Amino acid sequence: QSALTQPRSVSGSPGQSVTISCTGISTLLGASDYVSWYQQYPGKAPKLLIYDVTKRPSGVPDRFSGSKSGSTAFLTISGLQAEDEADYYCCSYAGRYTWMFGGGTKLTVL
Amino acid sequence: EVQLVESGGGLVQPGRSLRLSCAASGFIFDDCAMHWVRQVPGKGLEWVSSITWNSASTSYSDSVMGRFTISRDNAKNSLHLQMNSLRVEDTAFYYCAKDLFRTITMGVDHWGQGTLVTVSS
Repeated sequence: QSALTQPRSVSGSPGQSVTISCTGISTLLGASDYVSWYQQYPGKAPKLLIYDVTKRPSGVPDRFSGSKSGSTAFLTISGLQAEDEADYYCCSYAGRYTWMFGGGTKLTVL
Repeated sequence: EVQLVESGGGLVQPGRSLRLSCAASGFIFDDCAMHWVRQVPGKGLEWVSSITWNSASTSYSDSVMGRFTISRDNAKNSLHLQMNSLRVEDTAFYYCAKDLFRTITMGVDHWGQGTLVTVSS
């Protein structure tokens, strides 16, 4: 299983936009359609932000958006708010019916 | 309200076994694939195992393949993880998690609060 690589940390000021990358997405036919993103606060269970690369579950603000280019997926958070300070994880299909998470990115709101 | 409640965690010696369970409520259990995801405190998420809605397909990470077995009982709305030959590196919080779909997509829209498994002599 190859790895999904995320930046260890990103930061931004309130109102700004930040983008978190996730490199190593499988390019197997159909496999790259399955990219999800999660937000996790310390001591809490993760929360789904994005699934199937670009889709948002109900209740997730449209400030959160997902995209993909080649083997890299992106999570963009627009109009940054203090409450967005958390850890963010990508997840994708890794082949041979296995899945993997990225190492996680800590977002700091300055 | 969707609820996923894990149980069965605890302290166990290396080489021994443990069986985790997850009681599901608030949704149509057999409409969803299910997962186990673990997390060492202070570290990242690690996918462990998944099962489709009808148990026709199961999958495991390389790190647990051959030692862990996932199963579900749709009649009892429950998910299980039989963990054998436990290792120190299996120590983590184990989350029960629900997929959006019947097939495994890892669009996981609900998570339990986790149960801690500690493997130590």
